[in-house]
Amino acid sequence: ETGVTQTPRHLVMGMTNKKSLKCEQHLGHNAMYWYKQSAKKPLELMFVYNFKEQTENNSVPSRFSPECPNSSHLFLHLHTLQPEDSALYLCASSQRLAEETQYFGPGTRLLVL
Amino acid sequence: AQSVTQPDIHITVSEGASLELRCNYSYGATPYLFWYVQSPGQGLQLLLKYFSGDTLVQGIKGFEAEFKRSQSSFNLRKPSVHWSDAAEYFCAVRGGSNDYKLSFGAGTTVTVRA
Repeated sequence: ETGVTQTPRHLVMGMTNKKSLKCEQHLGHNAMYWYKQSAKKPLELMFVYNFKEQTENNSVPSRFSPECPNSSHLFLHLHTLQPEDSALYLCASSQRLAEETQYFGPGTRLLVL
Repeated sequence: AQSVTQPDIHITVSEGASLELRCNYSYGATPYLFWYVQSPGQGLQLLLKYFSGDTLVQGIKGFEAEFKRSQSSFNLRKPSVHWSDAAEYFCAVRGGSNDYKLSFGAGTTVTVRA
């Protein structure tokens, strides 16, 4: 029971499409994270939000646009993606920013055609 | 910056046999160390963590890991694997109590044969 849900679980989009990934945590946490998991590569931290404020943008291209309207919800807006952006996008949350345990959602499997 | 190496990409083990997954890290001081497991179609679940104290830590699902400072290692072990242990395992490191950035290894895929 992780308490972190992500929708959709699978997404196929063309390079000219605009789509959004949604993450919701039911744990009362204050920090939320987006990670990218590509095949045979380590997880890459993309964005970090703490109390709805962005604290980290790990040199992510502008075609990825995060949004955190409140501490329970995190979005990743996608626009004009490239095929190399195909990956599993994982959301995580933690009680505090430096809390030892990050709880992960099941991820959204994205395929860009 | 810290980094993590998992030398084994794929390990196959028989059910009931022991399992050891290797993890080496690079960091100047004592890091915070983690092992996560990812079953197919699932997110990452924390197995265990090490911050300080006893260098042998116990986790969930019968796993344990040992921190060896001299070898910069944090290897994961299980005495007897079950078919349900087939998954991908990730070692991760954080720089300390004030560092929130987790650096992950590339993962080790474990296959369990009957």
